[in-house]
Amino acid sequence: DGGITQSPKYLFRKEGQNVTLSCEQNLNHDAMYWYRQDPGQGLRLIYYSQIVNDFQKGDIAEGYSVSREKKESFPLTVTSAQKNPTAFYLCASSDITGTEAFFGQGTRLTVV
Amino acid sequence: AQSVTQPDIHITVSEGASLELRCNYSYGATPYLFWYVQSPGQGLQLLLKYFSGDTLVQGIKGFEAEFKRSQSSFNLRKPSVHWSDAAEYFCAVGYNNNDMRFGAGTRLTVKP
Repeated sequence: DGGITQSPKYLFRKEGQNVTLSCEQNLNHDAMYWYRQDPGQGLRLIYYSQIVNDFQKGDIAEGYSVSREKKESFPLTVTSAQKNPTAFYLCASSDITGTEAFFGQGTRLTVV
Repeated sequence: AQSVTQPDIHITVSEGASLELRCNYSYGATPYLFWYVQSPGQGLQLLLKYFSGDTLVQGIKGFEAEFKRSQSSFNLRKPSVHWSDAAEYFCAVGYNNNDMRFGAGTRLTVKP
């Protein structure tokens, strides 16, 4: 089945550690996105990528980094510079027209 | 800057009653418009979308939405709500650069 897979579903991290969230899609989509979701704030765009080896910052990119070495993969690293990383993270992808985004099931990151 | 506003944070309706969720956007041109639904701890599922043409669009699960250019609105409606419709609903706008932005969401509670 085609879709987007995020892993892990739950992730715990100690303060000061970097952590990488995985996002893989087999929809042959060119564009991929990372969003952060906090209660009452909807989805906020962290980074997006329209093509391999290229990506753009969204509204809240500080403390995060991404790579896009392969079309199907768009991992997100939450660095120790992110002041409040505990949140629900959603990955999405769309074709080049951007006419519909498909979402993964999310990763809930908790800093302990 | 582009923005999406969902004025209602939380709405409660009785099962069988009609529903309207509001969405307003700000942008110079007509963007792509979407409504997504999210169950707790899950990703987002597309309900319907508007790109052009007929301003009344039909979606899954009996939902419809109407695009009103003069009001920059894209309100979601359902004539008779079912208990299984309880979820969080997000309005989103997309642009031809693949930049998709979401509203803060409206949480729907359905009373028996």
